[in-house]
Amino acid sequence: AQTVTQSQPEMSVQEAETVTLSCTYDTSESDYYLFWYKQPPSRQMILVIRQEAYKQQNATENRFSVNFQKAAKSFSLKISDSQLGDAAMYFCAYNGANNLFFGTGTRLTVIP
Amino acid sequence: DTEVTQTPKHLVMGMTNKKSLKCEQHMGHRAMYWYKQKAKKPPELMFVYSYEKLSINESVPSRFSPECPNSSLLNLHLHALQPEDSALYLCASSLSGTSGGTYYEQYFGPGTRLTVT
Repeated sequence: AQTVTQSQPEMSVQEAETVTLSCTYDTSESDYYLFWYKQPPSRQMILVIRQEAYKQQNATENRFSVNFQKAAKSFSLKISDSQLGDAAMYFCAYNGANNLFFGTGTRLTVIP
Repeated sequence: DTEVTQTPKHLVMGMTNKKSLKCEQHMGHRAMYWYKQKAKKPPELMFVYSYEKLSINESVPSRFSPECPNSSLLNLHLHALQPEDSALYLCASSLSGTSGGTYYEQYFGPGTRLTVT
């Protein structure tokens, strides 16, 4: 069975600084996708970034980038130039043959 | 347009009531999902509809009854709920399901906050 682990229940970052959120997963599948979703207090789950397992290049979306280490089954999210609007719960998610599995989440606080 | 809409935003119901949650998307997506999310927890998958057919039911109690009248609409009918069913109910859609080795990101609605009294 697939499992997704986020070992940091809470993180904080100063505004304009950089923060990295960790995620590891366990799978025997060779073809899968990985996602980071953001859930602010407004509750809506927003897709931040996606990574296809077959791609070696790390995905980037503006201030958000990932460090995907397939052999280590690691998928961390780096947020650069943090903004107050980045404060939210961040979920790492694995999508393989059996739909989406979420990690337990990391609550990010941005300090002005 | 990557919008999934859900109504109502909030719902309070008694244990003997019957109510329905509604979800709609107009992105041409053919897979739709219901999740249940308790406070400070990740979403838990309840049901998956793929091409308007129920493809996954994650052992959800029969007091929850999903319905997919067409490719844009997904309902969740609620009857005789328990207080422990109080949660945020999220709907999501994706271009298609995960069969065939192609995986698409899911787009989520804002959720319905359900309180069972």
